[in-house]
Amino acid sequence: GESVGLHLPTLSVQEGDNSIINCAYSNSASDYFIWYKQESGKGPQFIIDIRSNMDKRQGQRVTVLLNKTVKHLSLQIAATQPGDSAVYFCAENSITDKLIFGTGTRLQVFP
Amino acid sequence: EAGVAQSPRYKIIEKRQSVAFWCNPISGHATLYWYQQILGQGPKLLIQFQNNGVVDDSQLPKDRFSAERLKGVDSTLKIQPAKLEDSAVYLCASSFTGGGSYTFGSGTRLTVV
Repeated sequence: GESVGLHLPTLSVQEGDNSIINCAYSNSASDYFIWYKQESGKGPQFIIDIRSNMDKRQGQRVTVLLNKTVKHLSLQIAATQPGDSAVYFCAENSITDKLIFGTGTRLQVFP
Repeated sequence: EAGVAQSPRYKIIEKRQSVAFWCNPISGHATLYWYQQILGQGPKLLIQFQNNGVVDDSQLPKDRFSAERLKGVDSTLKIQPAKLEDSAVYLCASSFTGGGSYTFGSGTRLTVV
């Protein structure tokens, strides 16, 4: 079927390498940030989140870094696997509780 | 726990026709969201409900889109009449607190021809 993100920026990595996906957010008042993974034909799936009082948070194989000074988020995926291939979105939650999504990045993992 | 349920999965209609989408959120989630995701873009919020009340519908094209959440549980999103540019995936999400832990459904893919 149709895939999400045909015209999105693409990051191509070799299986086993580390991936870094970057995101710039817009609202300096946002205090909660989430990374989502979206596979073709599916809704966004929660990966990891971080609150504005932190600058780093680690999960299983994933790490999120937050730089509030330059309004920048990054998602690091260790030992990238073929199953990690998807479109990745960062989202910010403003004081109005609206979840605002960024443009997205397509991650392609090749053997 | 069961996820967010949406139906139908796919819908093809002609322009100027009407269409409705249904969403059943996770049990106990007070906040429900409808997002529109155009191919190649991130989801865009259309409307946010807290229980059965509208919190934010500033991005909803109210001349053709309407949504309701009767009894604070299920929700329907309607488009009447549809335009070609409404072709998109319509995602429903719910959250317990409204400030995090959003869970998305698989979406309804609408094609307007």
